[in-house]
Amino acid sequence: AQSVTQPDIHITVSEGASLELRCNYSYGATPYLFWYVQSPGQGLQLLLKYFSGDTLVQGIKGFEAEFKRSQSSFNLRKPSVHWSDAAEYFCAVVLTGRRALTFGSGTRLQVQP
Amino acid sequence: DADVTQTPRNRITKTGKRIMLECSQTKGHDRMYWYRQDPGLGLRLIYYSFDVKDINKGEISDGYSVSRQAQAKFSLSLESAIPNQTALYFCATSGTLDIAGSYNEQFFGPGTRLTVL
Repeated sequence: AQSVTQPDIHITVSEGASLELRCNYSYGATPYLFWYVQSPGQGLQLLLKYFSGDTLVQGIKGFEAEFKRSQSSFNLRKPSVHWSDAAEYFCAVVLTGRRALTFGSGTRLQVQP
Repeated sequence: DADVTQTPRNRITKTGKRIMLECSQTKGHDRMYWYRQDPGLGLRLIYYSFDVKDINKGEISDGYSVSRQAQAKFSLSLESAIPNQTALYFCATSGTLDIAGSYNEQFFGPGTRLTVL
């Protein structure tokens, strides 16, 4: 079955530490890939997206993500986490020709001082 | 002013009641979506509409209906609310495919928290 998996439900990192959030998808073809962030009490904001081309994608707020076709992964990274990055992060995909996003179950990030 | 607005922001209702959640957008987008968010399940698509005459079921449409009153308005109704419809509901919009054929970003409203007792 086609799916999007975020294996980490909850991650805690110290402020200033690096971060990597995992996302794997299982589709026959390469989908369009997205990372969204949801701050407490807020809607979702797009961090970055991958359609084609350079597999390392830069986004807002200092985030980046790397698409690895061989691993069917699109992991989100940040070199140095800030307390304001505490939020829930969602990976999402859409297949070419499909009509709407499919979301992963989310990873909640806590940042320790 | 927000580009995608949802009303109400919070609603508590009782089992069996009919509820309507409303979404309006000023982005001029053709495409609108309704999702529900449950802890540990991410967002799941309920219905989507690519124009006023195009309404499609998502993965969890049972117990819900929608109305696309205009390009800018897309309402979600719970005909007879039940407790397991307690969730956070999001409306989203997107433009049509761009010139290059790329999928366009979805923009989300702030959400409606619905509690069914």
